[in-house]
Amino acid sequence: IAGITQAPTSQILAAGRRMTLRCTQDMRHNAMYWYRQDLGLGLRLIHYSNTAGTTGKGEVPDGYSVSRANTDDFPLTLASAVPSQTSVYFCASSADTNQPQHFGDGTRLSIL
Amino acid sequence: RKEVEQDPGPFNVPEGATVAFNCTYSNSASQSFFWYRQDCRKEPKLLMSVYSSGNEDGRFTAQLNRASQYISLLIRDSKLSDSATYLCVVNDAGTYKYIFGTGTRLKVLA
Repeated sequence: IAGITQAPTSQILAAGRRMTLRCTQDMRHNAMYWYRQDLGLGLRLIHYSNTAGTTGKGEVPDGYSVSRANTDDFPLTLASAVPSQTSVYFCASSADTNQPQHFGDGTRLSIL
Repeated sequence: RKEVEQDPGPFNVPEGATVAFNCTYSNSASQSFFWYRQDCRKEPKLLMSVYSSGNEDGRFTAQLNRASQYISLLIRDSKLSDSATYLCVVNDAGTYKYIFGTGTRLKVLA
């Protein structure tokens, strides 16, 4: 079934550790996004990629990095996790900008 | 002023009722509009895009009012399964920028 796959589903991580959240889509969408969702706040964009080989910063990029080596994969890396990065992380893709986004199941990350 | 604003609710309605939500946006240059539903912090799922002329999908009707800068979602004949949080999303023309509202919570009661 076509869609977006995120891994892991959930993770508990010690502060200071490095962590990569994986995201893969098989819809050949050009654009991909990473969001975090925290209670009482809307989804906030961390990083995005309009097409393979390009990335950009969103609203809350500090402490996160991304890469887009190919169309399908868009991993998000926390270089040195801090407790404030405890959140639910959603990866999304869209055929192009201004098209509807499709979301993965999310990764629940707890930083202790 | 927030870029996208929604009444957080909850809207508690009986089964079979009609309920409507509004969402206001601040950027008059916004071009694309969407409604998503989200269950218990699962992933947001696209409910429908919102077109300038308004559009309907079964029991759901979406409207866009550019002059007053709001979009609306009408749900007719509410079902228990409609209980969820409804997210309004606004996209700036041709950009990566999708602005999400914080959502309106709907509870349909038996």
